[in-house]
Amino acid sequence: ETGVTQSPTHLIKTRGQQVTLRCSSQSGHNTVSWYQQALGQGPQFIFQYYREEENGRGNFPPRFSGLQFPNYSSELNVNALELDDSALYLCASSSKLEDPAYNEQFFGPGTRLTVL
Amino acid sequence: AQTVTQSQPEMSVQEAETVTLSCTYDTSESNYYLFWYKQPPSRQMILVIRQEAYKQQNATENRFSVNFQKAAKSFSLKISDSQLGDTAMYFCAFGGFSYQLIWGAGTKLIIKP
Repeated sequence: ETGVTQSPTHLIKTRGQQVTLRCSSQSGHNTVSWYQQALGQGPQFIFQYYREEENGRGNFPPRFSGLQFPNYSSELNVNALELDDSALYLCASSSKLEDPAYNEQFFGPGTRLTVL
Repeated sequence: AQTVTQSQPEMSVQEAETVTLSCTYDTSESNYYLFWYKQPPSRQMILVIRQEAYKQQNATENRFSVNFQKAAKSFSLKISDSQLGDTAMYFCAFGGFSYQLIWGAGTKLIIKP
């Protein structure tokens, strides 16, 4: 069973640029969630994709956008990068079950984004 | 809105000792899950233990156990016989109807030899 993978591992960008982060979900999972983790803080929910549709969004501006593909892999795109976007971006996959409260998520190793 | 609070920014214990990490949460939902995740310096977030709110029995996983007090909205993690490899950030997380996980700020746990 292949776990969640993310690419790239590290990325350095300058203010105003755009970035795309990628995530491959764990085998058998159809849901991908993205989180932003600033240094020394807990993760903050960005959005979730379920069967290629956005299924919920946290308090992030529209310049944060995403995609999910038919194989359930996902991309996170951030436009007009700001210094405060510097963080660890975590991708997590899960398998939606009938119980709406079930949400055990399996995480990738993250992408460290630095905005200069 | 749900909130998760971890009041201990950092804890340090000797190897083989027992340590308890605290977590409180607030929600109006009746059906939810609570999680403890471990994040070592490698950054990979690893699930330690999970508790379903409708189960009164506290979850256990080897050296890890929880004290779940639903009425008090408290969810503490006890690590017995602590090992050097337990050194990490520990995050408490709430999973409810909205599917997103709500996270605490984390507790840095240091196990000293």
